[in-house]
Amino acid sequence: AQKVTQAQTEISVVEKEDVTLDCVYETRDTTYYLFWYKQPPSGELVFLIRRNSFDEQNEISGRYSWNFQKSTSSFNFTITASQVVDSAVYFCALSEARDTGRRALTFGSGTRLQVQP
Amino acid sequence: DSGVTQTPKHLITATGQRVTLRCSPRSGDLSVYWYQQSLDQGLQFLIQYYNGEERAKGNILERFSAQQFPDLHSELNLSSLELGDSALYFCASSGTFDFGGGYTFGSGTRLTVV
Repeated sequence: AQKVTQAQTEISVVEKEDVTLDCVYETRDTTYYLFWYKQPPSGELVFLIRRNSFDEQNEISGRYSWNFQKSTSSFNFTITASQVVDSAVYFCALSEARDTGRRALTFGSGTRLQVQP
Repeated sequence: DSGVTQTPKHLITATGQRVTLRCSPRSGDLSVYWYQQSLDQGLQFLIQYYNGEERAKGNILERFSAQQFPDLHSELNLSSLELGDSALYFCASSGTFDFGGGYTFGSGTRLTVV
C-alpha cells in the first residue's frame, strides 16, 4: 500500500523567511509519480509539480524548489523568501506509474503554512 | 478556470436524501477521478473512470456510485446521506497514461448534510 506522511501539521513564518515542507512516502512500486499541490483558502487544488521516480534531479521554479531523494523516500518543498500569498495548505501526493492506467493519488495530510506580514 | 467543471458548487441537503454531483473533464482528458476531502479523513480517492470504464476504486462507500458517460462527463451519486458525508468533493481529470503534468482538479462541490 502507498502512504504519504507530512509530519508538519502547521508552520508559521514571517514574510521573507525560507521554509521547507517535508514529505516522506512509502510505496512498493519501482516507478511512481510524486506531486505537490497547493490549496489556498479559496479551496481549489492547484498543481505545483510532478516528479517521476526515475528523475532525481532537483527542480527550481522561481521561489519554489523541490528536493527529491529516493534513498530517503523524501520529496521536500522549499519556498524561498516566503510571501503572504504563499499562505495555504500544501499537499504532497503519490501515484502509481505502472501501465495499468491506475492513477489514484494518495495524499498526505497536508501542511498548513501561515506567512505573517 | 482549470478546464474541469463541477456543478453545483454548493449543496445543502438533509440526512437520508440522495444527491448527484456532476463533473465535466478538461477537453481531451479521458480519465476522471473523484476525491472526498473531509476534516477527519483528509483527501481520499474515491474512484477513477477511464473512457467510460471503471479503472480504480478507493474508499468509496456502497451508498456512493459513479459513472462516466460517452461524452466523458461523470456523475457521482451519493445516497442515504449521513451527517458524516458532509465534505468537499473534488473531480479531477487527466490525459492518457503518460500525462505530462498533473491532474487538473475542479473547484469542488461543497456538500453539507443537515
